[in-house]
Amino acid sequence: GEDVEQSLFLSVREGDSSVINCTYTDSSSTYLYWYKQEPGAGLQLLTYIFSNMDMKQDQRLTVLLNKKDKHLSLRIADTQTGDSAIYFCAEISGTYKYIFGTGTRLKVLA
Amino acid sequence: GAVVSQHPSRVICKSGTSVKIECRSLDFQATTMFWYRQFPKQSLMLMATSNEGSKATYEQGVEKDKFLINHASLTLSTLTVTSAHPEDSSFYICSANIIRQGESNEKLFFGSGTQLSVL
Repeated sequence: GEDVEQSLFLSVREGDSSVINCTYTDSSSTYLYWYKQEPGAGLQLLTYIFSNMDMKQDQRLTVLLNKKDKHLSLRIADTQTGDSAIYFCAEISGTYKYIFGTGTRLKVLA
Repeated sequence: GAVVSQHPSRVICKSGTSVKIECRSLDFQATTMFWYRQFPKQSLMLMATSNEGSKATYEQGVEKDKFLINHASLTLSTLTVTSAHPEDSSFYICSANIIRQGESNEKLFFGSGTQLSVL
């Protein structure tokens, strides 16, 4: 099927690291993306990774890619209350469509 | 800054009326835009691909007569929900693919979304 799976909820304390996981479906996806959605808003592109990379770091964000297992993760260092949102991973399918994950709702506790 | 502008952000309408949602690309031309629908606490569901100068491509199960898409210019796509019913109440989001000069891959940028409530 075309389901890109994520865990639904994650709760962390402010200052801790958050790790959001994603299992995608299309091994031929060239790029994989992470988006953030705040309440009542559209999606904001956070970062992306090229499929021939294992890791990409961008300030507080670290993306890890395991192509063999089709597993993608997003690590947010020093998580802040402003990071509370829903996070979506996305891949581009063979039919050139973006397939979004189910979304992970991150709650940061002060 | 925002590269895709969507409005209105919120609309409340009576059952049976039609609602138009606009999606504009800012500072770039978008030959293709996408329309998504999002139910509460769920992921995005692709409704249709809007192609400039031609008919939109609808996903399976999406009624093209119900959700009219017009992409008459390279910077504007509109979604019209015709004869709206309460079950059409949802969050609608548009997006456009962009490959910026000097970059190797496309990125999908989103509008801010429209919350439609049909009474």
